[in-house]
Amino acid sequence: GAGVSQSPSNKVTEKGKDVELRCDPISGHTALYWYRQSLGQGLEFLIYFQGNSAPDKSGLPSDRFSAERTGGSVSTLTIQRTQQEDSAVYLCASSLWGGGNDEQYFGPGTRLTVT
Amino acid sequence: GEDVEQSLFLSVREGDSSVINCTYTDSSSTYLYWYKQEPGAGLQLLTYIFSNMDMKQDQRLTVLLNKKDKHLSLRIADTQTGDSAIYFCAESTDRGSTLGRLYFGRGTQLTVWP
Repeated sequence: GAGVSQSPSNKVTEKGKDVELRCDPISGHTALYWYRQSLGQGLEFLIYFQGNSAPDKSGLPSDRFSAERTGGSVSTLTIQRTQQEDSAVYLCASSLWGGGNDEQYFGPGTRLTVT
Repeated sequence: GEDVEQSLFLSVREGDSSVINCTYTDSSSTYLYWYKQEPGAGLQLLTYIFSNMDMKQDQRLTVLLNKKDKHLSLRIADTQTGDSAIYFCAESTDRGSTLGRLYFGRGTQLTVWP
């Protein structure tokens, strides 16, 4: 595709419900990243995929958060039993090979609001 | 590589130069970046600099790096109203388990007045 796409663009959910956020990276990009942007914490790294493997999950804030990537392409970030502090914009990025100087292309984000 | 600091706000008049400053703490930082975020949009990479460089110029943008003081700045010449956005400083390393992971500052809101 032309760029990284994310869906939905906005999600409002009730506290305690599960949500799934989707990221479609740029075709051919092997590296995929999830970040979270919130007022209190700024932009935080969540998880990094190289292909379908996640060598770095250290940014996931709790065991309610999980992510998977299938076919080396689409990734889903799942938040179980959502809490109000999960409200944020979730950004996905992809890059060609995942090196330190490899440009990460960001999607427009999913704005999650937990009521 | 987790402490990246920026001032939160900057206001300039159209046509003036803008200088956005950033400090970081990780001496193993290899790459330093400036991203731009416009309202409702994702992050756009503006420019980046290797840690062994001290300056990089790209059209209206000049990046200065003082590695000794761990200080990075972005200068925008002839600032236009279309430059109004949030600017993020970020750093990454090419070593170890955090390869490619970006650490961001909180962003500087640049407002350009006509």
